[in-house]
Amino acid sequence: ETGVTQTPRHLVMGMTNKKSLKCEQHLGHNAMYWYKQSAKKPLELMFVYNFKEQTENNSVPSRFSPECPNSSHLFLHLHTLQPEDSALYLCASSQYPGNRAEQYFGPGTRLTVT
Amino acid sequence: AQKITQTQPGMFVQEKEAVTLDCTYDTSDPSYGLFWYKQPSSGEMIFLIYQGSYDQQNATEGRYSLNFQKARKSANLVISASQLGDSAMYFCAMREDNQAGTALIFGKGTTLSVSS
Repeated sequence: ETGVTQTPRHLVMGMTNKKSLKCEQHLGHNAMYWYKQSAKKPLELMFVYNFKEQTENNSVPSRFSPECPNSSHLFLHLHTLQPEDSALYLCASSQYPGNRAEQYFGPGTRLTVT
Repeated sequence: AQKITQTQPGMFVQEKEAVTLDCTYDTSDPSYGLFWYKQPSSGEMIFLIYQGSYDQQNATEGRYSLNFQKARKSANLVISASQLGDSAMYFCAMREDNQAGTALIFGKGTTLSVSS
């Protein structure tokens, strides 16, 4: 595997379910991110992890719970979601610190909450 | 106030023509970086080009160039010789160096459609 991978690619879940999204980066980066992309909206940053430590939580509801066990893996645990949480969830990684620090994105998980 | 503004919801261009996608930004930080990403219908965000606020020259990467006008706070993407595969959403983004992390702030995007 190369780059940033995300599983699953598609997920349909009910509001009472619990599921997890997984992200893995194979680039040797030390910063990882979760973004939410809803229709007609800019990408919204959700969480930032630098060196496995969460450095930013962008006022995300507690029904989204991130986990970063090491610099290569990032999870997003989901529980009791709402229909408005349906969106494309993108994971990214970058080198930190770094002047350029371009972020490399995974293909995303398309989440539908029913 | 929006940090990144992309005023063109959609742009249409014919193959082999050049196209400019507009982006303006707002920051009081003297040190920042500007990025352009491409998002095809598959969903993945693909990094295209980067411009640092202290870079003296406009960035270029193959058919992509960034028209950086610092005083006007604009960072337009120019795609030369458009190809059908360039049809996608294009996002402008900024990173302010005074931020603790390296999170990017994205604009709303521009949909580019290339026709033959």
